[in-house]
Amino acid sequence: GEDVEQSLFLSVREGDSSVINCTYTDSSSTYLYWYKQEPGAGLQLLTYIFSNMDMKQDQRLTVLLNKKDKHLSLRIADTQTGDSAIYFCAEGDSGTYKYIFGTGTRLKVLA
Amino acid sequence: ETGVTQTPRHLVMGMTNKKSLKCEQHLGHNAMYWYKQSAKKPLELMFVYNFKEQTENNSVPSRFSPECPNSSHLFLHLHTLQPEDSALYLCASSPGLAGENEQFFGPGTRLTVL
Repeated sequence: GEDVEQSLFLSVREGDSSVINCTYTDSSSTYLYWYKQEPGAGLQLLTYIFSNMDMKQDQRLTVLLNKKDKHLSLRIADTQTGDSAIYFCAEGDSGTYKYIFGTGTRLKVLA
Repeated sequence: ETGVTQTPRHLVMGMTNKKSLKCEQHLGHNAMYWYKQSAKKPLELMFVYNFKEQTENNSVPSRFSPECPNSSHLFLHLHTLQPEDSALYLCASSPGLAGENEQFFGPGTRLTVL
């Protein structure tokens, strides 16, 4: 079945870049997504990328997609303490209403 | 503000109580979802409704009973819950099929079962 995998933790210093990685299995998804969850809150859609793109940049966020390896990454430039949160990668199960989420990567930004 | 609201935000209930969680979306979406998020576990899909019809039921115990009276409202009725049901319950909506559309989440209801 479909699966999305992420590393569980990442720690970076304030001002550095953060790179959160994700691997997925459903190669037919049109969209791949990144969500951010702050403590006690719901998931906030950060950005998404079409499967026919290799890269998408949105201010401090850069998404890279390697379809051959089914690898997705989220780079946060100039990471701030407010970026500390859990980041979820997700793909849509094509032809259904199901989204498959990774386990989430907890990003800790050290001042 | 994502356009998806949930009430209440926090709920404490005993194992013999009956309560309901409410979700409302103001986005004109067709599909609505309930997820359960427990500490240190992946996000669990519970139910999906599309145009008021249930399309997914992920082997959820019958003590959780969903209701979707229209495409803007979704309820989760709770009865005789167990302490292990304590979790953050998230509602979400999307315009259509998962591989082609974004999903938007509400803030969640933090449920504690005593």
